[in-house]
Amino acid sequence: QSVLTQPPSVSGAPGQRVTISCTGSSSNIGAGYDVHWYQQFPETAPKLLIYGNSNRPSGVPDRFSGSKSGTSASLAITGLQAEDEADYYCQSHDSSLRAVFGGGTKLTVL
Amino acid sequence: EVQLLESGGGLVQPGGSLRLSCAASGFTFSSYAMTWVRQAPGKGLEWVSVISGSGGSTFYADSVKGRFTISRDNSKNTLYLQMNSLRAEDTAIYSCAKSPGAVAGTWLAYWGQGTLVTVSS
Repeated sequence: QSVLTQPPSVSGAPGQRVTISCTGSSSNIGAGYDVHWYQQFPETAPKLLIYGNSNRPSGVPDRFSGSKSGTSASLAITGLQAEDEADYYCQSHDSSLRAVFGGGTKLTVL
Repeated sequence: EVQLLESGGGLVQPGGSLRLSCAASGFTFSSYAMTWVRQAPGKGLEWVSVISGSGGSTFYADSVKGRFTISRDNSKNTLYLQMNSLRAEDTAIYSCAKSPGAVAGTWLAYWGQGTLVTVSS
C-alpha cells in the first residue's frame, strides 16, 4: 500500500492528452512538500521527468507538465506518442524528510 | 557525466546480511545527498534510506529501520547500504540515486541501474 495514490493504468491514443493523478494527504503533499515525477521503461532505471511540482529538467519535452493543488498533484502529457508508453511514479516527502512514492501508473498508448 | 554503479547484490538466506555499494563519478560526491530506493520484482518504487552529503544526517523507511544502515565514504566516492536480518520481503532491485543538493528532502536527479538482492532459503 503506497503512501501516495496513483491510478494503476491510463491509456490514450496518439496525439491525445492524458493526465495521471497523485493523491496524498496532509502529512505529505498537503503539508506543502513538493511533488516530483519519474518515468520508467521496462528493465531500466527511473528518469526524472518533473521536479518541484512543475519544472522540467533539461531535455524533457514540453509535452510533459506537472501541477499541484492541495493534497494532490497531476502529470499531464499532451500530443501523446508511442514512445511515452512507460510507468510513471510520483514522489513527495513527509514531515520526517522520508521520501514517499506513488504506486506507479502504467501508460498505454493505444 | 554522472555515473552511479551499484554492486554487492546476490542471493542470501533469511536472517543473513549483505552490503551494497554504489560507486559514483562525474560529480563532487561529498556535495550531494544520496538515496537508496528498491523495487521488488513487478512492483513499484520504495524509498529505503537517504544520507546527507556530509554523512551527518540519515533517514530510514520504517520497513528497514534498525536492520539497514546507510553510510558513505566521501574519500572513495562510494555509498553503502549494510543490510542485516534480511527477510524475503527485502527481495528487490536496489538502486542508488543522487539528489540535486547536499541535504535530504528533494528529488532524485540521477539513478543507477541497480543491483538485485534475493532473500531466499
